[in-house]
This record gives sequence, structure tokens and C-alpha cells, in this order.
Amino acid sequence: DIQMTQSPSSLSASVGDRVTITCRASQSVSRYLNWYQQKPGKAPKLLIYGASSLQGGVPSRFSGSGSGTDFTLTISSLQPEDFATYYCQHSYLTPRTFGQGTKVDIK
Amino acid sequence: QVQLQESGPGLVKPSQTLSLTCTVSAGSISSANHFWSWIRQPAGKGLEWIGRVYISGSTNYNASLKSRVTISIDTSKNQFSLNLSSVTAADTAVYYCATDSFGRDAFDIWGQGTMVTVSP
Repeated sequence: DIQMTQSPSSLSASVGDRVTITCRASQSVSRYLNWYQQKPGKAPKLLIYGASSLQGGVPSRFSGSGSGTDFTLTISSLQPEDFATYYCQHSYLTPRTFGQGTKVDIK
Repeated sequence: QVQLQESGPGLVKPSQTLSLTCTVSAGSISSANHFWSWIRQPAGKGLEWIGRVYISGSTNYNASLKSRVTISIDTSKNQFSLNLSSVTAADTAVYYCATDSFGRDAFDIWGQGTMVTVSP
């Protein structure tokens, strides 16, 4: 199985901050890398697919980059509604696996 | 926009079989463009993909659960189902159904999730 490792596991930030979350795969996943946002008690929501394609309806302050084994999710200016947990997930082969999550909370 | 809704018992006894159904609405489960998956999340923990089914009935499972999992599809009811046998407390989790469409290869539609507790 491909292992996905996110860093950091948690971070504290303020509204307006630029936030970067990284995800590393244990082997190349090409650009088959997706990012999700999950709020407490809710299902995950797709933000980014194919490493850098923005899902419809997702604000443009979210962006993704990377290929191979190293990927980044960036929030250009953190908004109050962005405080949540973020997960990366590969879709290169089965089984699909997720990173352990990065919790973004208020500083 | 396709919508998904999980249903099934919220409490299952150890050693029994957990059975959940996901009903697809505002769309057809017979679409050739979708895989239909089950994903679970223990309280306070991360996401684990359980497996998926395609319209043809072909399946892929997570090897860690493969010996206990069956995912099936019922096109007449626009539903797909999860059976997980010989459950233990470690199977206590929120169970989500989700779909990924060809081209995106990402879980773009999710059900709201259903909590299943394994307890005597």
C-alpha cells in the first residue's frame, strides 16, 4: 500500500495568514493526489483533485501543487470558515489511502 | 447532482455482521462513469477506504479488511451495500459512502455518514 504522510499534524494560524500543508507519498503517485476539508461532524469535502485542479465551488484561495511524491496545499489568506482538518489522498491505485490529517485551528 | 444516504443499524454485537446500504438519489447508480465506495472513520481518527464496486459488479477491497468485506450493487433499487463480518470494537466508526467519477479520480460526493458502534 502507498503510505501518505502529512505535515504538520496540526497548526495554529490567524485569519489572513498564508497556510501551507505538505503531503508525501511513499512512492510516486504521479498527479493522482486529492485534498479534502473536514469539519467536525461532517463528511469530508473535496477541495483539489489531480494535484492542482480546483473542485467546482471551492474558493480560489485554495490551491494545490506537486507531482510524484511531494505535494502542497496552500490557503492564500485563511478565513474563519477554513478552520478544519485537511486530508490528502492518492488515487494512483487501490487501495486508496489518506494522510493522517492536518488540523488547522485558531491562534 | 447525485446525493448519497447511508442507512443501517447503529449498534452491532461483536462477532456479528455489520450491514449498511447507500441509496443514490438524483442520479443513476448505473452510470458507467462512477465507482461506488465505502470509507470509515473511527472517532477522532483518520479516514480508511474499505472498498468499491462498479456497475458491472466488479469490486476492489482494502487488503486489511478483504477477508471480512463484501460490497454489492443493486441497480433495481439504486443502492449499493456493505457487509463486514466478524466485527469487533475496532470496527466502531462513522461509515461513509462516496463516489468518485472517472476523470476526477477523487471522492467528489459523500453521504452524511452513519455511526456504527460494536458493543454487546
